[in-house]
Amino acid sequence: EPEVTQTPSHQVTQMGQEVILRCVPISNHLYFYWYRQILGQKVEFLVSFYNNEISEKSEIFDDQFSVERPDGSNFTLKIRSTKLEDSAMYFCASSPTYQAYGYTFGSGTRLTVV
Amino acid sequence: GEDVEQSLFLSVREGDSSVINCTYTDSSSTYLYWYKQEPGAGLQLLTYIFSNMDMKQDQRLTVLLNKKDKHLSLRIADTQTGDSAIYFCAESIEGSQGNLIFGKGTKLSVKP
Repeated sequence: EPEVTQTPSHQVTQMGQEVILRCVPISNHLYFYWYRQILGQKVEFLVSFYNNEISEKSEIFDDQFSVERPDGSNFTLKIRSTKLEDSAMYFCASSPTYQAYGYTFGSGTRLTVV
Repeated sequence: GEDVEQSLFLSVREGDSSVINCTYTDSSSTYLYWYKQEPGAGLQLLTYIFSNMDMKQDQRLTVLLNKKDKHLSLRIADTQTGDSAIYFCAESIEGSQGNLIFGKGTKLSVKP
């Protein structure tokens, strides 16, 4: 069964450093998403991406965050200057349609900011 | 704003039925979902229901939706130890580009 692959599975970074989280969506999917889950909290929507542009973003997705699909296969989330409160599990998802019943989630990247 | 609430823990004995409950606030939900998260794994879609349905059955899983009370439940029949996981309720809202609003998750523990 096709999978969404996220790398690395765990990343530790120093506060203030830039970090890039990588995702390889399923190849024929058109819609791409990032979510995050702070420990003990709800899974929160960050951003959706379609046709090479952001289609929707949440309040969390401020100027420190950016997304890119640089080469037609990878989908990346960049956090420019990490803060302690960015520590969370980050999930990538892709879908063939905008309907969420088509989502496939990756297994996540645990980001720890120290 | 939109909100989805679930109880945090549920413990059942193997072979019993489990019922996980969820309430939501937004009446413009289009679809409601149940996801399962096993330790170290991603979110796996178990089932979903369109908001104009009131029940959906899929093998051991039964989803009940009471739209008037904004209440969703997931019943797992003949619960097995392999069902131990965190179960997330989620909704998608009319007009949004497929983004989901999740509850905090219910940790189901199945005792042998």
